Amino acid sequence: DGGITQSPKYLFRKEGQNVTLSCEQNLNHDAMYWYRQDPGQGLRLIYYSQIVNDFQKGDIAEGYSVSREKKESFPLTVTSAQKNPTAFYLCASSITQRGTDTQYFGPGTRLTVL
Amino acid sequence: DAKTTQPPSMDCAEGRAANLPCNHSTISGNEYVYWYRQIHSQGPQYIIHGLKNNETNEMASLIITEDRKSSTLILPHATLRDTAVYYCIVREILAGNQFYFGTGTSLTVIP
Repeated sequence: DGGITQSPKYLFRKEGQNVTLSCEQNLNHDAMYWYRQDPGQGLRLIYYSQIVNDFQKGDIAEGYSVSREKKESFPLTVTSAQKNPTAFYLCASSITQRGTDTQYFGPGTRLTVL
Repeated sequence: DAKTTQPPSMDCAEGRAANLPCNHSTISGNEYVYWYRQIHSQGPQYIIHGLKNNETNEMASLIITEDRKSSTLILPHATLRDTAVYYCIVREILAGNQFYFGTGTSLTVIP
């Protein structure tokens, strides 16, 4: 069954701890993305990666880090430097179809920092 | 920044067609119109996209005006499971990075 998986669905951490969110896709998509969503707001891009071993900062990269060692995986680390980490985190991957690239999203991870 | 304007909320009776409007008066020639929806606490779901011709798939139809300044997403027979926030997004061809999601339209399907 193809798709994008994010784990865990809910995550709780103490303030000052780093935490890594998992994102895996078996769709053979080249590009992957991380977004953050706060209540009542749209999505904001944190990082994206067009190919393995390469990634770029999005609009709100401060306090986050990523790696892209495998095509299927794009983990996001929320560091203690992120001032307000409690949010809903969404991973996406994309494929080019009919001349444009469409992004498909995972189910999300809700992170709560206590 | 989002380049679209959508009504904040709409209601639709179950079984009726839901017509969700979107204004994108500053759209340029190389920008597509995308529609996604997000059910509470889930990831956004891709619905449909188009450039200038009307499009239809198993989920919905997309009607784009001739001047491309507005579009309408049509869910032909709304069900309770269609209750969600619907996002209209305009985006350059192969922009390579993000989709700018605004606040969308919260559609409530009423039994």
